[in-house]
Amino acid sequence: DVKVTQSSRYLVKRTGEKVFLECVQDMDHENMFWYRQDPGLGLRLIYFSYDVKMKEKGDIPEGYSVSREKKERFSLILESASTNQTSMYLCASGRAGVGTEAFFGQGTRLTVV
Amino acid sequence: QKEVEQNSGPLSVPEGAIASLNCTYSDRGSQSFFWYRQYSGKSPELIMFIYSNGDKEDGRFTAQLNKASQYVSLLIRDSQPSDSATYLCAVSRTSYGKLTFGQGTILTVHP
Repeated sequence: DVKVTQSSRYLVKRTGEKVFLECVQDMDHENMFWYRQDPGLGLRLIYFSYDVKMKEKGDIPEGYSVSREKKERFSLILESASTNQTSMYLCASGRAGVGTEAFFGQGTRLTVV
Repeated sequence: QKEVEQNSGPLSVPEGAIASLNCTYSDRGSQSFFWYRQYSGKSPELIMFIYSNGDKEDGRFTAQLNKASQYVSLLIRDSQPSDSATYLCAVSRTSYGKLTFGQGTILTVHP
């Protein structure tokens, strides 16, 4: 079974803190993604990576950065957390190619106070 | 116009009925289409994907794609209470497998 593991299920951080969300996959997938999910807005892509050290902005990259130093690990960084970044964050991975599905981690519920 | 739009919910159907979930997309270059199911508090999980015009059946689920109308749907036959969840339509056009999601439709199947 494909496994995508996010480092935390719940996080509470203060405004202005630098926040790291970690994601690890064990299927040697080329692609990895970070989405956030908010009620009524569905899943919105923040960043994705198609190879080690390669990254592309998604639809809502502002206030976020990413790092992919190893194929299996993709980190999302909130440079200075703000209350409007309170959300559910979902990491996903998938093989390269058209039509390949994305496998999701369990999600991290981040609350910024 | 949103890239991917789903019929507004919530949708409520009686047990045993057919549930019909609809999705339209704006990018004609879209190549692959996915339906994910998400139970409350859980991650999305893939139900079906389709990339050719027509119907694709898998058990009680049928996905339908009409590229000319830019429309994809999911039919759930003999709906069960365990089908109650949020259903997410997703579209991909690139070889990177990047998915664009609709906002989701909440389905409730009542006994």
